[in-house]
Amino acid sequence: GQNIDQPTEMTATEGAIVQINCTYQTSGFNGLFWYQQHAGEAPTFLSYNVLDGLEEKGRFSSFLSRSKGYSYLLLKELQMKDSASYLCAPSVGGSTLGRLYFGRGTQLTVWP
Amino acid sequence: DAGVTQSPTHLIKTRGQQVTLRCSPISGHKSVSWYQQVLGQGPQFIFQYYEKEERGRGNFPDRFSARQFPNYSSELNVNALLLGDSALYLCASSVRLPYEQYFGPGTRLTVT
Repeated sequence: GQNIDQPTEMTATEGAIVQINCTYQTSGFNGLFWYQQHAGEAPTFLSYNVLDGLEEKGRFSSFLSRSKGYSYLLLKELQMKDSASYLCAPSVGGSTLGRLYFGRGTQLTVWP
Repeated sequence: DAGVTQSPTHLIKTRGQQVTLRCSPISGHKSVSWYQQVLGQGPQFIFQYYEKEERGRGNFPDRFSARQFPNYSSELNVNALLLGDSALYLCASSVRLPYEQYFGPGTRLTVT
């Protein structure tokens, strides 16, 4: 089976930096996605890491270590609107498939 | 460009009934995946289609079925509804696998 582990909740203040960790155990690993989901809404795509290393996209960065089964999402200059659930999702199934397996999500609360 | 669209937005059914949910992918996307998300959990993979062929099925009973049409839109059918089928049903499209998947707004199904 697939096993994805991430913290249930995190809190931070506006302007701060927060790192959300994710560890996973999967077979047929393609890469790792991070999605943001506000309450009652659909997940929105944040990042996709295939190779080891850091991918930076504005205030958001994502890191992947395939050998360690580890990823993190780094959010800088936090804003109130960043309060949401952050979902770690390994993509598995080999090169022609891409089913996502989601963790339970990390609920981030940003305080003023 | 229009994003992934799903219909209906909300649906209320009674136990034992059948339901059909619809999804239109982003123009040019040939893959559609379906996910079920119950409150407090991450989305769970149900089905994946690519070029009108089923490419994967999650751990769901045979009451769940799906298909993809020549225009790449898709339907998810659930027969003999149970209370536990109450959830947000998400459709995601991708230009091809295993690249990033973009989610539609979802269909909120309530079974009473």
